[in-house]
Amino acid sequence: NAGVMQNPRHLVRRRGQEARLRCSPMKGHSHVYWYRQLPEEGLKFMVYLQKENIIDESGMPKERFSAEFPKEGPSILRIQQVVRGDSAAYFCASSPPVRSLYGYTFGSGTRLTVV
Amino acid sequence: AQTVTQSQPEMSVQEAETVTLSCTYDTSESDYYLFWYKQPPSRQMILVIRQEAYKQQNATENRFSVNFQKAAKSFSLKISDSQLGDAAMYFCAPRVGNNNDMRFGAGTRLTVKP
Repeated sequence: NAGVMQNPRHLVRRRGQEARLRCSPMKGHSHVYWYRQLPEEGLKFMVYLQKENIIDESGMPKERFSAEFPKEGPSILRIQQVVRGDSAAYFCASSPPVRSLYGYTFGSGTRLTVV
Repeated sequence: AQTVTQSQPEMSVQEAETVTLSCTYDTSESDYYLFWYKQPPSRQMILVIRQEAYKQQNATENRFSVNFQKAAKSFSLKISDSQLGDAAMYFCAPRVGNNNDMRFGAGTRLTVKP
C-alpha cells in the first residue's frame, strides 16, 4: 500500500529551463494538494486539484506556474522559465474525497534547486 | 483568508520534561478539523494528532495531547516525557471550508536537550 509518491526527489535546473514535478496520490485518494516550502519557513498552499479539475489555485503565482491532475497518471506541477527564487521544497499531499478527520498523507517532497 | 498563528518560532525542552506549543486560528465555521504535523530533518511530514471541532474532549495520542479551546480558537500541543526524537518542526493545520484544503502555520522548531 504505497503512500504518496513524488519524483524526482531532487531536481536541478538552470535559470530559464522548465521544471516538472510529479505526484502520484495514495490509492483511493482523488484529491491532491501542492505546497511550497522555502528554507526555514512553513508550508505555503499552492493548489488543490481533483481529477481533471482545479478546485483552488489561489496560492499559485500568476505566471509560469501550472498544475494538472489528469484522468490517468500523476499530478504534475510545472514551472516554466525557472528563476533562483523558485528554489524550494515542493510537497504534494493527497486525501480521500470526503472531508474528514483523515487529514492528508504527504509525499517526501521534491527539492528544486535553480542554478 | 484563513489565518493560522504559531507565536513561538523556537522552543526548547529538557529530555523527559513537558513542553506546550501554541496555535491559534481564525474561522467562522463551527465544524472543522485540526491537525498537528511534525517535520523532522528528513523533511517528511508526519501526522502527530488530530481533533474534531465538535468534540469537546481533547485528543490524546500516547505522549501527545492537545488543549482545544474552541471559543478562543486555540489548539495547543502538549508533549509529555519529551524524547530526543521529538526534535523537529511542528506545524498546526486547521482544515476548514468547503474547499477541503488545509492551511499551515509558520511552524515551531522544537529542540530537545539531553
